[in-house]
Amino acid sequence: DTAVSQTPKYLVTQMGNDKSIKCEQNLGHDTMYWYKQDSKKFLKIMFSYNNKELIINETVPNRFSPKSPDKAHLNLHINSLELGDSAVYFCASSTAGAGTEAFFGQGTRLTVV
Amino acid sequence: GESVGLHLPTLSVQEGDNSIINCAYSNSASDYFIWYKQESGKGPQFIIDIRSNMDKRQGQRVTVLLNKTVKHLSLQIAATQPGDSAVYFCAEFSQGGSEKLVFGKGMKLTVNP
Repeated sequence: DTAVSQTPKYLVTQMGNDKSIKCEQNLGHDTMYWYKQDSKKFLKIMFSYNNKELIINETVPNRFSPKSPDKAHLNLHINSLELGDSAVYFCASSTAGAGTEAFFGQGTRLTVV
Repeated sequence: GESVGLHLPTLSVQEGDNSIINCAYSNSASDYFIWYKQESGKGPQFIIDIRSNMDKRQGQRVTVLLNKTVKHLSLQIAATQPGDSAVYFCAEFSQGGSEKLVFGKGMKLTVNP
């Protein structure tokens, strides 16, 4: 049983397209995140949601729009894709506050051509 | 040996040796720290954590040391095995201000048989 699952695992698309990445967690966690990992493996937080509410938005371009229909799902929609958006995107979840470990999905490798 | 620079820092060890991976964290207000292991093509996976009221914590073959005075964290892996080959990240969490898990730059560990 996958705790945090994201789809698709690979996504290749042309510049200017709009695409979505879906994430679901079955851990009953209240908090979900999106992280971006660049080619040097640096992991940077993009968004954090707690119980469907946006908590953190790390100055991500507004072409990126997260949507949380319920606390088990946090999807990432990206408009007008650019070459620089190519990266691996990770969804994660954790229990709220108090500093606890985050559980990560397997990642979505986005390649913009 | 260890190398740093523009590329992901790497540490090569022989199977059976002990490995030490170091991390300097940035926020003196951080009160919770986690070590993650990321294998190729997978998401980061929790290894061990430590809270700021401790300076040492041991798990199975792993030990984390925390030195708050110099804001330094280390991960010791005993009797390193080929399966330990991965990229290792330290992450810090601060309850003050924006609560988020911030990752360090990562260290690639290669275990030679």
